[in-house]
Amino acid sequence: DQQVKQNSPSLSVQEGRISILNCDYTNSMFDYFLWYKKYPAEGPTFLISISSIKDKNEDGRFTVFLNKSAKHLSLHIVPSQPGDSAVYFCAATPAGGTSYGKLTFGQGTILTVHP
Amino acid sequence: DGGITQSPKYLFRKEGQNVTLSCEQNLNHDAMYWYRQDPGQGLRLIYYSQIVNDFQKGDIAEGYSVSREKKESFPLTVTSAQKNPTAFYLCASSVTGGSFGYTFGSGTRLTVV
Repeated sequence: DQQVKQNSPSLSVQEGRISILNCDYTNSMFDYFLWYKKYPAEGPTFLISISSIKDKNEDGRFTVFLNKSAKHLSLHIVPSQPGDSAVYFCAATPAGGTSYGKLTFGQGTILTVHP
Repeated sequence: DGGITQSPKYLFRKEGQNVTLSCEQNLNHDAMYWYRQDPGQGLRLIYYSQIVNDFQKGDIAEGYSVSREKKESFPLTVTSAQKNPTAFYLCASSVTGGSFGYTFGSGTRLTVV
């Protein structure tokens, strides 16, 4: 049962354009969402997060949007740079209960930004 | 510098052998996690521990074992019962609750030869 889904395995974008990475979730108990970036043979690094009380969070070139009714979030990167080429994982965690703080990850989307 | 260290970076195992992957953190985090990454399957949780001397199975615990005798250390043993152990293994830690996200190690690539 895949509770967090990234349906696009890969995305290719031209440098300077917008990259949009999508993520859907099924568990209505998820309350906090994060995006991680991962280079080959390295551990993921935290990129940006959003709480369910917000619908948007911005940090420089990165913006995350949350649509709770659709159980959908997206990561926008503007403008995209070749150094953004990596695997992007979305992750979610509930607000409480025994699973509080335990992240469930999507399958990842490979972003390639062409010069 | 505070961080989380996984060793070794590359590990080769013969069929039928047990191997132990090391994970050490000096972030004073209470919670630690082990994930496995396979192509197209994202990160899948093997085991996690929210406090010393306590740990829980994740989604794919079969064939693996862990211990949490010290707050700083959370070693993972891949036993011979794990049928498909070749993968990239990631250790992570977080503050209790983890709503601030995880800090990941740099991973161990395990290959069965």
